[in-house]
Amino acid sequence: DAGVTQSPTHLIKTRGQQVTLRCSPKSGHDTVSWYQQALGQGPQFIFQYYEEEERQRGNFPDRFSGHQFPNYSSELNVNALLLGDSALYLCASSLRASGPYEQYFGPGTRLTVT
Amino acid sequence: AQSVTQPDIHITVSEGASLELRCNYSYGATPYLFWYVQSPGQGLQLLLKYFSGDTLVQGIKGFEAEFKRSQSSFNLRKPSVHWSDAAEYFCAVGPPSGAGSYQLTFGKGTKLSVIP
Repeated sequence: DAGVTQSPTHLIKTRGQQVTLRCSPKSGHDTVSWYQQALGQGPQFIFQYYEEEERQRGNFPDRFSGHQFPNYSSELNVNALLLGDSALYLCASSLRASGPYEQYFGPGTRLTVT
Repeated sequence: AQSVTQPDIHITVSEGASLELRCNYSYGATPYLFWYVQSPGQGLQLLLKYFSGDTLVQGIKGFEAEFKRSQSSFNLRKPSVHWSDAAEYFCAVGPPSGAGSYQLTFGKGTKLSVIP
């Protein structure tokens, strides 16, 4: 049983560019959350998707957007990249019926903006 | 607004010694409380959680944590540390069920180094 998978593992982009990160949830899970973890910091909640809709959002600008597909996989899009967007982006999946806090995290995508 | 403070950025202990990692939170009511561990190149793994009931909770890998409402603390402990416990540890809080939100707020983490 595969856990949460994320792609790509690493990514280097230039300021002003756009990036798409992908997440496949653990088998059987229907909810996906995204977190940003800057160097030396704890993860910060970006948003959560369930039934293909954004259900909750943290304190992030509209440059951060997402999508959830019918197979429950998800994408995180960031437009107009800033140097400060450099971070580890973590995806977490859960089963709504089991409680939203039973989250399983993927290994993350390391984004570097130059 | 909710917040989590982990006062120790880096802790070094000898293998076999006991460990206590501190966590203090600020929240209007009693939140749900969590400890996660993150090894290099790995995602976060849940060690244990507290929702209600017995204030001493047991987790995986021999860890336990104690919720102290009067001190707004949720400290993580392990009686005997193994070299494989070297990692970064994060305390987190989340609104209780029914609050309409499931957003986790994390502390900045404590890096644990273990001396053989």
